[in-house]
Amino acid sequence: DADVTQTPRNRITKTGKRIMLECSQTKGHDRMYWYRQDPGLGLRLIYYSFDVKDINKGEISDGYSVSRQAQAKFSLSLESAIPNQTALYFCATSDLTSGSSNEQFFGPGTRLTVL
Amino acid sequence: LAKTTQPISMDSYEGQEVNITCSHNNIATNDYITWYQQFPSQGPRFIIQGYKTKVTNEVASLFIPADRKSSTLSLPRVSLSDTAVYYCLVGDNGLTGGGNKLTFGTGTQLKVEL
Repeated sequence: DADVTQTPRNRITKTGKRIMLECSQTKGHDRMYWYRQDPGLGLRLIYYSFDVKDINKGEISDGYSVSRQAQAKFSLSLESAIPNQTALYFCATSDLTSGSSNEQFFGPGTRLTVL
Repeated sequence: LAKTTQPISMDSYEGQEVNITCSHNNIATNDYITWYQQFPSQGPRFIIQGYKTKVTNEVASLFIPADRKSSTLSLPRVSLSDTAVYYCLVGDNGLTGGGNKLTFGTGTQLKVEL
């Protein structure tokens, strides 16, 4: 089984709808992240969380919110989806105790299309 | 966060060594240099990380000069399956309070042919 899972894998929705993307991990990592990737571009950080009580904005948090329900779960919500939020969304985790490592473990991605 | 610059694309042939250079002139003292690989429609995968000099693992080598303003990812004897986008990232290790806030640029598209 995959260590980092994302649901759904694909979603098509309409402008104005509320959407929730979910991420679960079995790696036991403290840190979790949400990124979006647009075609031909790199990943941009939306939100990140160091533990259950910690939520931080990334570089493009406007229009998004997150919830860290448990150590293993980190959800991303689009309160009112708009077409320019059409993108590939990735969840990632990293281990606080890994010392000097910047290794993040990525999920398979959720392809979101907003019509 | 230090900005990185790397070539947009590179072409190679199977069996050749590929070197991708990244420049990061504004690298900070606490920053590490990390490389990721990404295949289409998949999440990035960590390849290697270093702070200075040379680091080698089973997949690649990373060369970092003394001034740390650039780094070179070396892939020995590439194969078709190495065709992917390679990202060079610079960031602290998260222990100084900044978290593992990695900034992905547009990366280098490596194409390996027969």
